[in-house]
Amino acid sequence: EVQLVESGGGLVQPGGSLRLSCAASGFTFSSYNMNWVRQAPGKGLEWISYISSSSNIIYYADSVKGRFTISRDNAKNSLSLQMNSLRAEDTAVYYCARGGSGYHYVDYWGQGTLVTVSS
Amino acid sequence: DIQMTQSPSSLSASVGDRVTITCRTSQDITNYLTWYQQKPGKAPNLLIYAASSLQSGVPSRFSGNGFGTDFTLTISSLQPEDFATYYCQQSYSTPWTFGQGTKVEIK
Repeated sequence: EVQLVESGGGLVQPGGSLRLSCAASGFTFSSYNMNWVRQAPGKGLEWISYISSSSNIIYYADSVKGRFTISRDNAKNSLSLQMNSLRAEDTAVYYCARGGSGYHYVDYWGQGTLVTVSS
Repeated sequence: DIQMTQSPSSLSASVGDRVTITCRTSQDITNYLTWYQQKPGKAPNLLIYAASSLQSGVPSRFSGNGFGTDFTLTISSLQPEDFATYYCQQSYSTPWTFGQGTKVEIK
């Protein structure tokens, strides 16, 4: 069974940093592209970052470019998102999401971890 | 960025109704269109990818259609468990963007 379990969310002050992690199991992690997608409270979905299976291709949404860094450790079956210079508008549930083949859709999602940026 | 316009933003329907949700993109995305279902407090769930391919395990009452800029998600006979919010997403070019969602409510 595919499982994606996020951790690392919490309350952080504006300008602060947080590192999210995603532990993957139930599939060959090193064979899949991965994403982070977020959802602000009561709002829709926003894709924020993509990393290819071998980490050679990385994309970011403009809203996080230069502040967030995606990475993965295939030996540890883990995905990370380092978030710096956090803003109130970064408050959201952050989902770790596995990429489906070919069409870059998401075929499995984690349960999400809430990040709240507030003083 | 490719803009996504979903319609309607919400609808009320009865069990057994046929429901159609539309997604229009600001430029041609061929068939790089995905549909998700999300229930309150839960992660989204993949329904349709490549515009019309049904994800394994998804009931056959869900279907997708379209190519280019105009796409539809149809639920042929609405079931109680289908009351949820539905999102379309384009993955033709980054940033991959989502529609604003369509909330399907009980009439």
